[in-house]
Amino acid sequence: NAGVMQNPRHLVRRRGQEARLRCSPMKGHSHVYWYRQLPEEGLKFMVYLQKENIIDESGMPKERFSAEFPKEGPSILRIQQVVRGDSAAYFCASSPLRGQSNTQYFGPGTRLTVL
Amino acid sequence: AQKVTQAQTEISVVEKEDVTLDCVYETRDTTYYLFWYKQPPSGELVFLIRRNSFDEQNEISGRYSWNFQKSTSSFNFTITASQVVDSAVYFCALSEEETSGSRLTFGEGTQLTVNP
Repeated sequence: NAGVMQNPRHLVRRRGQEARLRCSPMKGHSHVYWYRQLPEEGLKFMVYLQKENIIDESGMPKERFSAEFPKEGPSILRIQQVVRGDSAAYFCASSPLRGQSNTQYFGPGTRLTVL
Repeated sequence: AQKVTQAQTEISVVEKEDVTLDCVYETRDTTYYLFWYKQPPSGELVFLIRRNSFDEQNEISGRYSWNFQKSTSSFNFTITASQVVDSAVYFCALSEEETSGSRLTFGEGTQLTVNP
């Protein structure tokens, strides 16, 4: 009964490179959320997706960041042309179908370091 | 707009002491949900509790208890007889929709250190 899976757990990129973070929700969950945790800070909402749909991306930076949740496969958070300020822990969470509990269960996170 | 405040940045106690972590929230909705999560040194986020705005009964789970006071917009978390393994960052969070689909707004977290 696997929980939310995220990979890689640690990712190092040089400035200007692209970062791709993957998230597989818990079995039976169709809602995926991405949050960012900057050093010494709380978590900040970035985007909420369902299969093939972005529902709420109001927390996403306007440039360089994108997210998808295809019909098949994991959700992807993509950061293009990374800068040092993108260094953070990125957490994915999932929750069940609408009409059920809204508890979000989190993955272990991906720690992104930009050199 | 919703907001969660955890005024205590760091708390340090000695093992077996009781400790209360404070959480104050702001929301315009009448229906909302409150959560506590634990982030141990390993970094993952562990769900502890979910409480809806219509249920003001206090909850106890082993050494953990939660006190929801709507009148003061607070949802405090108490650990009784603390243990070293309780050392972690604890986050309080707020959601304004009943069903899946609403962002969580987190407080800044309280770093709890339990010393042997």
